[in-house]
This record gives sequence, structure tokens and C-alpha cells, in this order.
Amino acid sequence: DIVMTQSPDSLAVSLGERATINCKSSQSLFYSSNNKNYLAWYQQKPGQPLKLLIDWASTRESGVPDRFSGSGSGTDFTLTINSLQAEDVAVYYCQQYFSPLITFGQGTRLEIK
Amino acid sequence: QVQLVQSGSELKKPGASVKVSCKASGDSFIGYAMSWVRQAPGQGLEWMGWFNTNTGNPTYAQGFTGRFVFSLDTSVTTAYLQISSLKAEDTAVYYCTRGYYDNSGFYYSDYWGQGTLVTVSS
Repeated sequence: DIVMTQSPDSLAVSLGERATINCKSSQSLFYSSNNKNYLAWYQQKPGQPLKLLIDWASTRESGVPDRFSGSGSGTDFTLTINSLQAEDVAVYYCQQYFSPLITFGQGTRLEIK
Repeated sequence: QVQLVQSGSELKKPGASVKVSCKASGDSFIGYAMSWVRQAPGQGLEWMGWFNTNTGNPTYAQGFTGRFVFSLDTSVTTAYLQISSLKAEDTAVYYCTRGYYDNSGFYYSDYWGQGTLVTVSS
């Protein structure tokens, strides 16, 4: 199984500042034949369905604010939230789909400082 | 706008069965896959497997074989998760998702249901 490890487990960031969440996979998620990284990011807010933010490591979904961005390749990936807003308080998960056995990171809880 | 609306919370005794439904509105399943994800209390997300809506074939992740059954009724755009011989450790929130796939398997989920809490307790 591909193990996904997120860091930190939780973080507190001031409004308007930048939040950075890391996700590391136990093996590369890069497929050279199509030059793509098989990684997605989701946001989970209490009482709401999970929301897809980013797929293919860096492709922002339609309707997702452009303060959210994904980067990285191979085994190391980052979700960056610029100019943090109060509504960004949530738990964030990365998920790999390189392997047929889908696995998620353990989640990172983002709070306002 | 696609919505996946799941059935309500369930309280079951050990050994019983439960069937969770997930109705899609705003779009059909055709061309997409349906997956199920479990989240035990205070825990992260655990992928249970997926259902290929094109072939009708389910694929179950390790640990979710035998007692777990995925099904789909396209006439009512509803996916189902049935769990038999329930155990206390099956207590969790179960999510249905719609997602993308290809011949190599499931990719990622573009829509999630709101979750169904299944509590197994005597």
C-alpha cells in the first residue's frame, strides 16, 4: 500500500496569512508516460460533504478560490492557502490514486490563530 | 449541480445487517464510478472500494471483502452499501462518492455524500 503522511497534524494561522500543508507519499505518484502526479486534495468542514479542491496535484477544481493551490511532484506535495479566510477552517486530506488501492493522508486540521 | 444524498443514521445490534443508500440528483452515474469511504470515530478516511457503473463490477479494498456489498440501481440513480454481520468496529460514518476512473482503477472523487452514521451497539 502507498502510505500518505501529512504534516503537520494541525496548524493555526492568522487571518490573511498563508497556510501550508504537506503530504508525502511512500512511493512516487508520478507517471512518466503522461507526465502527471496522481494526487488530490480535499476539504472537510463540519456538517458538510467533503469538497474536492485539487486534482492531478495542481489542477484547481472549478469554483475553488484561487487562494488555494497545489504543488509538488513525485513523493512530496503541498497545499497552499494564501490570504487565509475564516471559512477555510477545516480538515484537509490528500489522496493518492496512483495505486488501485486508494489511500488518504491522516488529515491536517487548520484553525485560525 | 450534482448532489449525493445519503440515508439517515442507523443504530444496529451486532450481527444485524444495514443498507445505506446514496441518491444522486442533478446528474446520472453513467460515465462515472461510485466509491465508498469509511471514517471511524475520530479517525481519518479509509477507502472501501468502488463500483464501475459501466461494467457493473465492484472492487473491494482489503478488509472490505465478504461482509460488504456495493450495488447500484440506475433506474433511481441510487447506489447502495450493504454490510452484514455487523460488528462494533463497523461503527463509523460511511460516505458515498462519485468519481473518475479508467481501466487502471478509481481516481478521485468530485462529489461526496453527506455521510451516514452507522452505530453498532448491543
